[in-house]
Amino acid sequence: DGGITQSPKYLFRKEGQNVTLSCEQNLNHDAMYWYRQDPGQGLRLIYYSQIVNDFQKGDIAEGYSVSREKKESFPLTVTSAQKNPTAFYLCASSPPGASNQPQHFGDGTRLSIL
Amino acid sequence: GIQVEQSPPDLILQEGANSTLRCNFSDSVNNLQWFHQNPWGQLINLFYIPSGTKQNGRLSATTVATERYSLLYISSSQTTDSGVYFCAVERGTSYGKLTFGQGTILTVHP
Repeated sequence: DGGITQSPKYLFRKEGQNVTLSCEQNLNHDAMYWYRQDPGQGLRLIYYSQIVNDFQKGDIAEGYSVSREKKESFPLTVTSAQKNPTAFYLCASSPPGASNQPQHFGDGTRLSIL
Repeated sequence: GIQVEQSPPDLILQEGANSTLRCNFSDSVNNLQWFHQNPWGQLINLFYIPSGTKQNGRLSATTVATERYSLLYISSSQTTDSGVYFCAVERGTSYGKLTFGQGTILTVHP
């Protein structure tokens, strides 16, 4: 089935450690997005990418990094510079011509600090 | 940036009741989506509705873009409708960037 796969579902990070969250899609979508959700809050945009080898910062990019080497993949690295990384992370994608197109979401990764 | 306000913040219903959720936004948009987040965190796409009215089973949605609001109607609610409902908008100049409201927490009791 076509969809967006995020892994792992749960991730624990030690202080000072970088961790990478995986997001893969087989929908042939051009645009991909990373959002962060804190308890009781809506989603906030971290980074987005409209095409391969190009990405832009969203509203809360500090302490995060991304790459877009393949159309199918948009991994997110939570660096040690992110002081409050505990959150639920959601990846999304949208069809070609990203504007005016619905976004579809993966099932998310819950990140916690040990 | 664009502001998105959802109301009510919390809603408690008995099974079988109807409800209306509202989303107000502060600027013109070219994309509006309604999502349901289930207790496991999965975000389910309900409607893509930048304008007009759509229906899908017991759910329907209406967006009046000129007045900057959208409504989500849930009829004959079921316990499986429980969760958080989010409205998200894309401003005309934001090219794919969604801004989410804070959500409405819906609890349906049997």
